[in-house]
Amino acid sequence: DTAVSQTPKYLVTQMGNDKSIKCEQNLGHDTMYWYKQDSKKFLKIMFSYNNKELIINETVPNRFSPKSPDKAHLNLHINSLELGDSAVYFCASSPPAFFGQGTRLTVV
Amino acid sequence: QKEVEQDPGPLSVPEGAIVSLNCTYSNSAFQYFMWYRQYSRKGPELLMYTYSSGNKEDGRFTAQVDKSSKYISLFIRDSQPSDSATYLCAMVSGAGSYQLTFGKGTKLSVIP
Repeated sequence: DTAVSQTPKYLVTQMGNDKSIKCEQNLGHDTMYWYKQDSKKFLKIMFSYNNKELIINETVPNRFSPKSPDKAHLNLHINSLELGDSAVYFCASSPPAFFGQGTRLTVV
Repeated sequence: QKEVEQDPGPLSVPEGAIVSLNCTYSNSAFQYFMWYRQYSRKGPELLMYTYSSGNKEDGRFTAQVDKSSKYISLFIRDSQPSDSATYLCAMVSGAGSYQLTFGKGTKLSVIP
């Protein structure tokens, strides 16, 4: 039974499109995150939610909007996709942080 | 200076060798220290989690923390080809914060 699951695993889309990535955790954790991993494998936090409340919002373009309908779910919506958005996006929940398998986003 | 420094490698060792992976940090507020293993095209997998100075052992893995020197290490004994992965250190300041700050990761290859 997967602890943190993300869908889709792969996402290929054209510039300018809007897309969403979904995340669910069954660990009963209060805190969930979105991380971005760039081509050099560096993991950088984007957002953190605690009990559906946004607590960390790093310097991320406002085209990225997280939404937490309940504490087990944290979705990421991206508007007007750009080439530079291509990366792997990881959802995680804590404590301590367990990660999903990642969503590899390619913008063409 | 970055908050967490980690030598990106790559590091290549023969099977059976002892591997030492290290991170240094500058933020004295970091209280919790983690090591993650990431296989290619997979999510980071939590290996070790500790909050005190000293050693913590789990099978072939030993995590070492020296808060006075702001230095943490992960030792892998009797390394196996299946240990080939990228290893990331991560730190949290505690006090209700669960924001992990990651090192850049060290790519390890264990050669049979």
